[in-house]
Amino acid sequence: AQSVSQHNHHVILSEAASLELGCNYSYGGTVNLFWYVQYPGQHLQLLLKYFSGDPLVKGIKGFEAEFIKSKFSFNLRKPSVQWSDTAEYFCAVMGPNSGYSTLTFGKGTMLLVSP
Amino acid sequence: GAGVSQSPSNKVTEKGKDVELRCDPISGHTALYWYRQSLGQGLEFLIYFQGNSAPDKSGLPSDRFSAERTGGSVSTLTIQRTQQEDSAVYLCASSSRGADTQYFGPGTRLTVL
Repeated sequence: AQSVSQHNHHVILSEAASLELGCNYSYGGTVNLFWYVQYPGQHLQLLLKYFSGDPLVKGIKGFEAEFIKSKFSFNLRKPSVQWSDTAEYFCAVMGPNSGYSTLTFGKGTMLLVSP
Repeated sequence: GAGVSQSPSNKVTEKGKDVELRCDPISGHTALYWYRQSLGQGLEFLIYFQGNSAPDKSGLPSDRFSAERTGGSVSTLTIQRTQQEDSAVYLCASSSRGADTQYFGPGTRLTVL
């Protein structure tokens, strides 16, 4: 079965610091990859996704992620975080185990940005 | 346009009671998913509906859980004889088709006393 590992459960940063959240998945074949974000009191929202093509994907609010197939990784980055980026971030994979239909999520990373 | 809606937003029930949770997907979306978000377990897939095909029930944790989707639109997740470990946020998502971006609703927080 495919699995997703997010390395950090909690991250605390000051505003303007750079962010990188790690995500590794277990399946070696073709996968679709996602990052979702859940702001306090809000529902899950799509941040960005990778299906194919350029492995550097740009999403909303200045976030980007890089798919490195050889490392089974899809790390999320932002050069300069803001207080409003405080949220929980989930990496997810969609692969052949689920017929490219359902999502397997990581445990999530809670990001706290202090002003 | 309107997103995925779920009702109720909160449900408190007593152990052993049955509960029904409702999901209204985005209009025109043929695929509908139920997930569960709980402390320690994270987000787990429960069941997936695609058009008129038989649902993928592989994520349902026990036979106390069932779901149906009427007319290819609204879905109801039913939990019979609720247990305390069923306490979680139940999320519904829809997509225009399988293998596409899923859009999530606000969830139903279920508390079993």
